[in-house]
Amino acid sequence: EPEVTQTPSHQVTQMGQEVILRCVPISNHLYFYWYRQILGQKVEFLVSFYNNEISEKSEIFDDQFSVERPDGSNFTLKIRSTKLEDSAMYFCASSEQWEGEWAKNIQYFGAGTRLSVL
Amino acid sequence: GIQVEQSPPDLILQEGANSTLRCNFSDSVNNLQWFHQNPWGQLINLFYIPSGTKQNGRLSATTVATERYSLLYISSSQTTDSGVYFCADEEGISSGSARQLTFGSGTQLTVLP
Repeated sequence: EPEVTQTPSHQVTQMGQEVILRCVPISNHLYFYWYRQILGQKVEFLVSFYNNEISEKSEIFDDQFSVERPDGSNFTLKIRSTKLEDSAMYFCASSEQWEGEWAKNIQYFGAGTRLSVL
Repeated sequence: GIQVEQSPPDLILQEGANSTLRCNFSDSVNNLQWFHQNPWGQLINLFYIPSGTKQNGRLSATTVATERYSLLYISSSQTTDSGVYFCADEEGISSGSARQLTFGSGTQLTVLP
């Protein structure tokens, strides 16, 4: 069964460093997402991406964050200068939205990257 | 934006027991999904259920869209069912854009042997 792949599974970095989290969405999907989950809290939306541009972004997704689809398969989240409060699990998701009588949008999540900022 | 409330926040069961988890929504139900987050942190899709009832083995889900709630039933629970169960839904239906999911706070389920 196709799946969303995320690397690395765990990233440890020093405060102020740049990190890039990588995702390979399901191959025929067109819509891509990043979410984060601070330990013990609920999953929060960061950004969505469609047709090579950001579709929506939350208040969390400030100027320190950026996303890119550098080629036909990868989708990346960059944090320019990490802060302690960026420590969280970051999930990538993708979907193949079906338009029509019932607009269906099933999002499939990767296993996550646990980011630890020291 | 849409508010998603889950209950109960915590649930402890003996193996073999049945349980019902609930999700209430502040707005219309659009593309509701249930997830299980296992102890390793992975989010596993359980159901896509904007309306009606679905069953998958010992798990089933029912969404009553007109009353803005969904229920997840776990029968004959096993220790491997332990983890956090999340429901999530979208703000609204719009074409041509990637639609975000809003998650509830989850139900922490612990199944004891």
